[in-house]
Amino acid sequence: DAKTTQPNSMESNEEEPVHLPCNHSTISGTDYIHWYRQLPSQGPEYVIHGLTSNVNNRMASLAIAEDRKSSTLILHRATLRDAAVYYCILLNTGNQFYFGTGTSLTVIP
Amino acid sequence: AAGVIQSPRHLIKEKRETATLKCYPIPRHDTVYWYQQGPGQDPQFLISFYEKMQSDKGSIPDRFSAQQFSDYHSELNMSSLELGDSALYFCASSFSGPPYEQYFGPGTRLTVT
Repeated sequence: DAKTTQPNSMESNEEEPVHLPCNHSTISGTDYIHWYRQLPSQGPEYVIHGLTSNVNNRMASLAIAEDRKSSTLILHRATLRDAAVYYCILLNTGNQFYFGTGTSLTVIP
Repeated sequence: AAGVIQSPRHLIKEKRETATLKCYPIPRHDTVYWYQQGPGQDPQFLISFYEKMQSDKGSIPDRFSAQQFSDYHSELNMSSLELGDSALYFCASSFSGPPYEQYFGPGTRLTVT
């Protein structure tokens, strides 16, 4: 199982952009980079995924380094509802997630 | 859109009792996963099923068993419950092909007293 490294916690002011980094230096060529988030007492929620190219969706953007050894989840305007634990996960088969510790994001009003 | 359904949402049991948790995956998803999340911890993978066959096994205690039925719903059976089994139990479902994103249910909160 490929490992990821994320900061334990980050803070952001409301309505400002947030950049959540993830290092995955042992990523293989077929690993997909997934981001999930979990609000307190709720199930993890899919945010975005990518393979090689940067990706955008209605929730966030995903910037993937050229060597794919790191990625950054970008929330363009943080809201209080974005306060959650964000997990960066690598997948190359339909198997188990290894959640790691994730980044706890605090949004300051 | 239909989501993953779990029942019950809350369950209180006493030590040494048994519990059965149910999961109904998103229609047409062929893979189901079970996770356990203790207080203040990250989710830990327990077991998964693909097309009704066990496909992967994680840190599932021998006291626990699971299966997937012909209608693709899954049940997690837990026997001889211990205080340490108190946790949130999540079910997730996905297609078996890439990019493999999983969709999680709201969870069942099990409290063992």
